[in-house]
Amino acid sequence: DIQMTQSPSSLSASVGDRVTITCRASQGISKSVAWYQQKPGKAPKLLLYVASTLKSGVPSRFSGSGSGTDYTLTISSLQPEDFATYYCQQSYNTPFTFGQGTKLEI
Amino acid sequence: EVQLVESGGGLVQPGWSLRLSCAASGFAFDDYAMHWVRQVPGKGLEWVSGIDWNSATTDYAPSVKGRFTISRDNAKNSLYLEMNSLRVEDTALYYCGKDIGESSDYLTLDYWGLGTLVTVSS
Repeated sequence: DIQMTQSPSSLSASVGDRVTITCRASQGISKSVAWYQQKPGKAPKLLLYVASTLKSGVPSRFSGSGSGTDYTLTISSLQPEDFATYYCQQSYNTPFTFGQGTKLEI
Repeated sequence: EVQLVESGGGLVQPGWSLRLSCAASGFAFDDYAMHWVRQVPGKGLEWVSGIDWNSATTDYAPSVKGRFTISRDNAKNSLYLEMNSLRVEDTALYYCGKDIGESSDYLTLDYWGLGTLVTVSS
């Protein structure tokens, strides 16, 4: 199974900050990575897929990059509604696997 | 508006069976792969199973393979998960998710339901 290791596990930031979350795969996954946002008591929401494609309707302050084994999610200017937990997920092969999550806190 | 509504969760004893359902609306159900993802409350996400648009291909996580069966009825716009030989470690909130494509070879879920809670306990 491909392991997805996210860092950091938690992050404290302020409104307006630029933040970056990293996900490292245990093997190359050819940009087959998606990023999700989850707020307490809610289902996850898709933000980006194939590493850098923004889902329609997602604000442009979210961006993704990476290749090979290393991928990043960047929020250019944090908004109050962005405080949540973020997960990366590989779709390179089954079993599909998620990172352990990064909790973004004020 | 895309809607996914899961049902069928509940409290069962180890070894028992349960069938989850997911009613879909607001999109052409038979054009997309569908998946089940679970989450222990307060913990991370685990992919459980996926099925492609015409049921030709199904996949399972190793932790459930041989015990769970995914299926769909495109005429009823419904997805199912038959869960047998349930274990305590299957306790989780089970989400139904719509993929962005027709193949279950990739997992990119653009819509999720609210989930149905399965509790396995003696």
